[in-house]
Amino acid sequence: DAKTTQPPSMDCAEGRAANLPCNHSTISGNEYVYWYRQIHSQGPQYIIHGLKNNETNEMASLIITEDRKSSTLILPHATLRDTAVYYCIVRISGANSKLTFGKGITLSVRP
Amino acid sequence: SAVISQKPSRDICQRGTSLTIQCQVDSQVTMMFWYRQQPGQSLTLIATANQGSEATYESGFVIDKFPISRPNLTFSTLTVSNMSPEDSSIYLCSVEPLSVAFFGQGTRLTVV
Repeated sequence: DAKTTQPPSMDCAEGRAANLPCNHSTISGNEYVYWYRQIHSQGPQYIIHGLKNNETNEMASLIITEDRKSSTLILPHATLRDTAVYYCIVRISGANSKLTFGKGITLSVRP
Repeated sequence: SAVISQKPSRDICQRGTSLTIQCQVDSQVTMMFWYRQQPGQSLTLIATANQGSEATYESGFVIDKFPISRPNLTFSTLTVSNMSPEDSSIYLCSVEPLSVAFFGQGTRLTVV
């Protein structure tokens, strides 16, 4: 699986949009971009994933660049409960593809 | 989605002993995954457990240290054997229906 690079941390104000960047310059054509988050002392939680089109669900939006070498997870109105470590992972979709977690980015939402 | 229950949620164990962690899923799944998260670190895959066959271990993890059972399509156990303080970690169970991973809340293990 291709590797990803994320800044170690960022913060944003409550109520504002949080834009979390991820670089995956060696991504293959059949690899998806997945985002998970881990709130302190809990198991990771799935957020969203996409292949090349932008995706949106009730939690977040995923913007993937046209060359697919980077992406941005957008939390449109961050709350204090969004404070967590966010993991950007690229992987082939399917049962035989390992989910490899990097260090992630720690998002701190301030009041 | 999938709902995963892990037991125990936490435990403090003496070195040299073993602890068995249980993972129950609310639906039948082919593969179940066990991860370790050491303090301050990210998650590392220990092994993949298929029902009816031996678990597949990742590099650095061996069956003698982390034996796994998978008696049916909704249940698995991970045993941490002959524990040392270095085994103090959070152990997590995961399943992936339709290529999206769902995790249990983890078992926080402290070895003293």
